Formats: sequence, structure tokens, C-alpha cells
Amino acid sequence: GAVVSQHPSWVICKSGTSVKIECRSLDFQATTMFWYRQFPKQSLMLMATSNEGSKATYEQGVEKDKFLINHASLTLSTLTVTSAHPEDSSFYICSALHGQGNTEAFFGQGTRLTVV
Amino acid sequence: DAKTTQPPSMDCAEGRAANLPCNHSTISGNEYVYWYRQIHSQGPQYIIHGLKNNETNEMASLIITEDRKSSTLILPHATLRDTAVYYCILYFFGNEKLTFGTGTRLTIIP
Repeated sequence: GAVVSQHPSWVICKSGTSVKIECRSLDFQATTMFWYRQFPKQSLMLMATSNEGSKATYEQGVEKDKFLINHASLTLSTLTVTSAHPEDSSFYICSALHGQGNTEAFFGQGTRLTVV
Repeated sequence: DAKTTQPPSMDCAEGRAANLPCNHSTISGNEYVYWYRQIHSQGPQYIIHGLKNNETNEMASLIITEDRKSSTLILPHATLRDTAVYYCILYFFGNEKLTFGTGTRLTIIP
């Protein structure tokens, strides 16, 4: 199936710094990508929908100034966690729709963020 | 709201068929039933999807009741590598968002 790759797989950063996570569709073009956050032993929570060439759409309760999303090309979306705090430590996962009529969502392997 | 209800956990003996139920009593006519699974600390993996007919692929079978208010994912010969959290999700084209519920934690027992 289609491949979605995230980078980095894990990152540790200091409080107050910013961290960028990349999500790439390796063998297909994705006009729409999604960013999820997952806390331990919980389900995936959709944070935002990333649209190529336009502004992202954020879910209720997600701070758009804190979680900056850029989808500058059809194969790359980035999530930047600005001024990170320990409570931002989480597993961040991206996905992209693929297939005729966007029938399947393929997910990246996830990025484990730890803010110390 | 995920709109689906799944048991929080299930066990299945290795080599046996694992049957994972999902209730979606408020499903609308244009919503598909999708199944994904997530192995620990990885991204979710697509398994199968269907609208109203039963579906089968190399990974699993999906049985959808005639009224579409519930479905069952069947892993015909479970292996230890099938231990994961399984998510049943309703999705319609045009919405594009996949909303995850709490899923079922399936443990395959040797």
C-alpha cells in the first residue's frame, strides 16, 4: 500500500523550544493530510486537517498558534509545536488519504515527543 | 463523537478466529465502516472497509448486518502479531475526517 513517512520518530526537547515534525507521502500526492495526537493508553485525537496550499482547519480546542501546520507541497505537511511544554509530550501521528475517491487513509509511524 | 461502540478488550487463542464486534446503530446511509488496528507505538494500519456487503481481503473479513447497525471483523487465524488495538470507524466521503473511538484491545494468547 501507499507509504506515509514521519520524521523524526522520536524527539526530546527543552521546555520553551519549538519542534518541527514532518509528514511525507512517499509514493503518492496528498492534497489533504491529518494530524493526530495520542496520549498513553488513549485513542487518537484529531488535531487538524492540513490542506495543500491553504490554511489548516483545526479541531475545537486545538490552539492554532501553538500547533503550526504548513502543507506547502502535495507530498509534505509539517507540524511545529511552538514553545513546547511538558504537557505537550505525546505521540503525534499524521495520515494522508489515498486511492480513487480517497478511500483509504494511510498513517505515518508516529513521532514520540518528550518535552523536558 | 466516534459513533461506534466496541468492547474495550478481548482475548483470543493463537490459531483461532478472532471476532471483533462493533455497534454503530446511528450509521447513516452514506457512511462506510472502516477497520484499522494499531500495534503498540506505531501508526494505525488499514485493515478493511465496507458499505453494506460483506468484504474479504488477505487480512480479514468484514461482516455487516443487513440493517447496518453493527459489524464484525474476523481475523480467520489469529497470530501473536495480531495483538493490537482495533478501531471500528464510520466514514463518509466528503467529510474525509477519520474519528477514532476507544477501540478494542485484542490480545492473542499462545
